[in-house]
Amino acid sequence: GAVVSQHPSRVICKSGTSVKIECRSLDFQATTMFWYRQFPKKSLMLMATSNEGSKATYEQGVEKDKFLINHASLTLSTLTVTSAHPEDSSFYICSARDEQGGETGELFFGEGSRLTVL
Amino acid sequence: GQNIDQPTEMTATEGAIVQINCTYQTSGFNGLFWYQQHAGEAPTFLSYNVLDGLEEKGRFSSFLSRSKGYSYLLLKELQMKDSASYLCAVSDSNYQLIWGAGTKLIIKP
Repeated sequence: GAVVSQHPSRVICKSGTSVKIECRSLDFQATTMFWYRQFPKKSLMLMATSNEGSKATYEQGVEKDKFLINHASLTLSTLTVTSAHPEDSSFYICSARDEQGGETGELFFGEGSRLTVL
Repeated sequence: GQNIDQPTEMTATEGAIVQINCTYQTSGFNGLFWYQQHAGEAPTFLSYNVLDGLEEKGRFSSFLSRSKGYSYLLLKELQMKDSASYLCAVSDSNYQLIWGAGTKLIIKP
């Protein structure tokens, strides 16, 4: 089946630094990818929809300048957490839909990235 | 508003059967998904229902009633590795996925 690869799986950084997380669709093209944040024992919270070749669509309450999303190709989207602070520590997950499956096709998730900001 | 409800936690015995319910109120409906998520890992796809009825896939089955806004995930012959969170998600009229908070399933020997 389709595979989405996310990197890095774990990252620890100092407060004030920026961290980039990559999400790649390995065997299919994805014009749209989704970025989620998940707090412990909570459900997935959609942060933004990443659109290839255009600006990302952010959910209400998500800071665009804080969480920079770039979708430069049909197989790669990146999320950059800028000037990270301890409250940004969380589990970040990306997903993509194999578009041959249409709008209701299965979502494939990356492995997730656990960010810890000291 | 849009809402997905599922129990927070359930406990079952190895080898037994468990049913995890999910009720939803959404603006439009384009299908319901069940995902399994082990602690610290990303969710993995289990099932998709868009028509009423039961879909069986090995030890797992998923049921949907659109008129009742209701679905359940049935797990048979439970194994210890089935201990995980089970997420219910509904695709709304804009094909946005609305996620439930997940049901943590604890399997006891």
